[in-house]
Amino acid sequence: EVQLVESGGGLVQPGRSMKLSCAASGFTFSNYGMAWVRQAPTKGLEWVATISYDGSSTYYRDSVKGRFTISRDNAKSTLYLQMNSLRSEDTATYYCTRGYPDYWGQGVMVTVSS
Amino acid sequence: DIQMTQSPSSLPASLGDRVTITCRASQDIGNYLRWFQQKPGKSPRLMIYGATNLANGVPSRFSGSRSGSDYSLTINSLESEDMAIYYCLQHNEYPFTFGSGTKLEIK
Repeated sequence: EVQLVESGGGLVQPGRSMKLSCAASGFTFSNYGMAWVRQAPTKGLEWVATISYDGSSTYYRDSVKGRFTISRDNAKSTLYLQMNSLRSEDTATYYCTRGYPDYWGQGVMVTVSS
Repeated sequence: DIQMTQSPSSLPASLGDRVTITCRASQDIGNYLRWFQQKPGKSPRLMIYGATNLANGVPSRFSGSRSGSDYSLTINSLESEDMAIYYCLQHNEYPFTFGSGTKLEIK
């Protein structure tokens, strides 16, 4: 059974940093591209970033480019999202997803507020 | 960026109805179109991939179709468990973009 379990969310002040993690199991992690998708409270879904199966290619939405970094550790079957210079508009539930995507984690809430 | 125009935003329907939700792509996306179902407080669930293919475990009353740049999700014989918000997603090119969502609710 595919499982994606996010961690690392919480309350953070504007301008500070936070790192999300996603532990994957139930499939061969190193064979799949992975992505982060977010959803602001009461809003729709928004793609954030994607990383290729081997980490050699990354893609970001414009609003997070230069502030967020997606990375992975295939030996640990773990996906990461390093978020710097956080803004109030980054407040959302962040979902770890597999592929284009197909499977989704349960999500982790990130609140950016002073 | 490719815009996905989803309609309607809200769809009141009765149990047993046949309903259709549509997304129009602003540029060619081929069949790189997926549909997701999201229930309150839950993660999205993949329903349709490749515009017309049913994902694993999805009931056969769900179907996807394409006509040019219009992509549709149809649910035949609506059941209470189908009440949710549905989103389309294009993954033909970055940035991937979602439709704005359709809230399917009981009339």
